[in-house]
Amino acid sequence: SYELTQPPSVSVSPGQTASITCSGDKLGDKYASWYQQKPGQSPVLVIYQDNKRPSGIPERFSGSNSGNTATLTISGTQAVDEADYYCQAWDSRSAPFGGGTKLTVL
Amino acid sequence: EVQLVESGGGLVPPGGSLRLSCAASGFIFSNYALHWVRQAPGKGLEYVSAINSNGDRTYYANSVKGRFTISRDNSKNTLYLQMGSLRTEDMAVYYCARDSSFYYYDYWGQGTLVTVSS
Repeated sequence: SYELTQPPSVSVSPGQTASITCSGDKLGDKYASWYQQKPGQSPVLVIYQDNKRPSGIPERFSGSNSGNTATLTISGTQAVDEADYYCQAWDSRSAPFGGGTKLTVL
Repeated sequence: EVQLVESGGGLVPPGGSLRLSCAASGFIFSNYALHWVRQAPGKGLEYVSAINSNGDRTYYANSVKGRFTISRDNSKNTLYLQMGSLRTEDMAVYYCARDSSFYYYDYWGQGTLVTVSS
């Protein structure tokens, strides 16, 4: 089965840029999406098809995907962005997630 | 407004069975594939199963294959997950999610908790 790897945690100071990576074999050949999940809430889509933002998602969220790595970038990180982030890439018969990254804004 | 509302979770002993439901509204149900995703307490998201729009193709994670069955009733706008031979490691919040048709989930339900314990 297809596996995606994320760092367990990332820390960033308010106003700085946070980057969360997601690695998988030839991930750049697939579409990557990213979900934000806050405690006690359902996940929310923040990036789809590598670099597209759904309506209502702030412009500070952006994404890229090339080679074996997809990256979620949050520019000008705010305290409200503190959450768990999950990448996902669809395989032929499944839609696996990365293990998740806890973003701490401190 | 698109809504997905899961139900059917609860406490079940190891080896037991449970059927989850996901009632959908606000969109043309029969046009979309749907998935089940679960999250064990304190853990990450795990893809469980998927079904195409008319229900004739189903997919399962290896961890549930042979024990879980996904189905849908397009006349009732409802998705199901029949879970059998439940194990403690199946304990999780189970979410239904709408497949946008473009390699991402655009809507999620609020989840239903399944507890497997004697």
